[in-house]
Amino acid sequence: AQSVTQLDSQVPVFEEAPVELRCNYSSSVSVYLFWYVQYPNQGLQLLLKYLSGSTLVKGINGFEAEFNKSQTSFHLRKPSVHISDTAEYFCAVSEAGAGSYQLTFGKGTKLSVIP
Amino acid sequence: DAGVIQSPRHEVTEMGQEVTLRCKPISGHDYLFWYRQTMMRGLELLIYFNNNVPIDDSGMPEDRFSAKMPNASFSTLKIQPSEPRDSAVYFCASGTDQETQYFGPGTRLLVL
Repeated sequence: AQSVTQLDSQVPVFEEAPVELRCNYSSSVSVYLFWYVQYPNQGLQLLLKYLSGSTLVKGINGFEAEFNKSQTSFHLRKPSVHISDTAEYFCAVSEAGAGSYQLTFGKGTKLSVIP
Repeated sequence: DAGVIQSPRHEVTEMGQEVTLRCKPISGHDYLFWYRQTMMRGLELLIYFNNNVPIDDSGMPEDRFSAKMPNASFSTLKIQPSEPRDSAVYFCASGTDQETQYFGPGTRLLVL
């Protein structure tokens, strides 16, 4: 079984400042890693995913994440945030390979961008 | 593409009543997932289907919950009888592979 820990429940940041949202996972097998964003009163939207290959993954809206196997982390970063980035962000993990479609989500991090 | 469609978007009901949530997945997607989101427990997978067949229902909390997928374009999640602790946002998601799931807007359920 996998588990995900998002270390910060809330992150306030000023507009145009950089941000990092932290995610650590636990698994005894190889994993796929995901970041989803949820805007108020909406469903989740995929930001980016790591399946294999390069450990630096680029996603939509200028976000990127780096997979660090030794530290079992998959932190999300953006060099300059915008007001429109205010949302809740979820890190998720699934077992790599065929046959396992269960996503395990972290509790989420609420990003508040301050004008 | 219209995306995953869920109805109703909001549901308020009284304890003991039957509740039926509906989902229309994206056309061509073989997989359909039902999730529940609460403040206490976060996002939890309840059940998922592949080609209309339930594959894993280990997340269904108890016998009061049931899910069906009679065809490739429709699924229901039923709670009977409903209880206040079932109050949550219920999401349906669909996908074609393990790598990406597309979420609907959710149904916000309040059981009084």
